[in-house]
Amino acid sequence: NAGVTQTPKFQVLKTGQSMTLQCAQDMNHEYMSWYRQDPGMGLRLIHYSVGAGITDQGEVPNGYNVSRSTTEDFPLRLLSAAPSQTSVYFCASRAARTFNSPLHFGNGTRLTVT
Amino acid sequence: EDKVVQSPLSLVVHEGDTVTLNCSYEVTNFRSLLWYKQEKKAPTFLFMLTSSGIEKKSGRLSSILDKKELFSILNITATQTGDSAVYLCAGAYGQNFVFGPGTRLSVLP
Repeated sequence: NAGVTQTPKFQVLKTGQSMTLQCAQDMNHEYMSWYRQDPGMGLRLIHYSVGAGITDQGEVPNGYNVSRSTTEDFPLRLLSAAPSQTSVYFCASRAARTFNSPLHFGNGTRLTVT
Repeated sequence: EDKVVQSPLSLVVHEGDTVTLNCSYEVTNFRSLLWYKQEKKAPTFLFMLTSSGIEKKSGRLSSILDKKELFSILNITATQTGDSAVYLCAGAYGQNFVFGPGTRLSVLP
């Protein structure tokens, strides 16, 4: 049981480059989300989805796009990377139809933008 | 604005000590309070608390929620070096969660 799988684990980008962070889950969870984690700031919600074809913005959505074409996958796109996007990114999912189910996290992607 | 505050932000203890981590929250449409442990990688789920005054326990860890005073505590008794981690508290609202900054616990041998 793989759970939530994120790729790549590490990435270095130059300012202005674009890239996609991949996230896949095999638990048939309806809800998927992306967080960024910065020192002293905790986990901040970027975008989330409650099912295929449905996405919404979180607390810090600027500079990021998402799509949800299948239940399993929820990629995060950086359109034009900026140094302020240097962070650790976590994908997380939960069973939305189960009341009060917890989030399950992937192992994270450490992104550096130079 | 929804927020979760944790204290202390950092704590250093010796093996065998008992620690109490604090979490206070202001979350609109609050559903539950969650605790996670984060070592090097993914946060791992510890507890979910939905009702006031009911303690949840797992081995040496226990937690309780006070919905009137809007706080929760996480207790760790007889700490071990393997308890060294960042402990995250989160408030659930709607489908989403708001996280605190975490408490970094270091347990020295």
